[in-house]
Amino acid sequence: VMTQSPLSLPVTLGQPASISCRSSQSLVYKDGNTYLNWFQQRPGQSPRRLIYKVFNRDSGVPDRFSGSGSGADFTLKISRVEAEDVGVYYCMQGTSWPYTFGQGTKLEI
Amino acid sequence: EVQLLQSGGGLVQPGGSLRLSCAASGFTFTTSWMSWVRQAPGKGLEWVADINPDGNSRKYVDSVKGRFTISRDNSDNSLYLQVDGLRDEDTAVYYCARDDVKMGGWGAFDIWGRGTVVTVSS
Repeated sequence: VMTQSPLSLPVTLGQPASISCRSSQSLVYKDGNTYLNWFQQRPGQSPRRLIYKVFNRDSGVPDRFSGSGSGADFTLKISRVEAEDVGVYYCMQGTSWPYTFGQGTKLEI
Repeated sequence: EVQLLQSGGGLVQPGGSLRLSCAASGFTFTTSWMSWVRQAPGKGLEWVADINPDGNSRKYVDSVKGRFTISRDNSDNSLYLQVDGLRDEDTAVYYCARDDVKMGGWGAFDIWGRGTVVTVSS
């Protein structure tokens, strides 16, 4: 089970934001990798991958987004929130079947 | 251009069936794991099914096992989801996505379709 907090995140433009994602078990796979990914879903759009394997930022994703954590405890941070960051953020584990998403965190300005 | 073009959704009665399709272009489909993810109205994302490049390994979430079948046609760069025995709770937007196992690791969906709506209602 993936548990995100908070579920609603009101932020001020230019201020930092942080989302927590906790798993009910360790996400370290037998190959040593941790398959924890973060996705952003803007209103009316398909999800978009931001971060894979905990901290690897996708090309085209602004460097104000960063992922961290280990084991069963992970965090997505936005250093300075911009208007385009509005949407819902999901963590998702791929370490074991079935893949499971967190409930989502709605970021609003 | 890298894209996943979806089709096949619609309104269906409980117990009915649909076949969802997803046409891939702009990347090497034949070596890609592929997935279906759904989103019920106003709800979060739920992974539904995954298939390996050869099509001989399939994974499903428990709630759809025995009712949904994921398949692919590598000669046509197409992914499918046969949905049978539909229930009210299957009403959702269904997304196809590439599971970027080779580079991003398991569950690192890097390419998404725009989604197709399935509505189960009498």
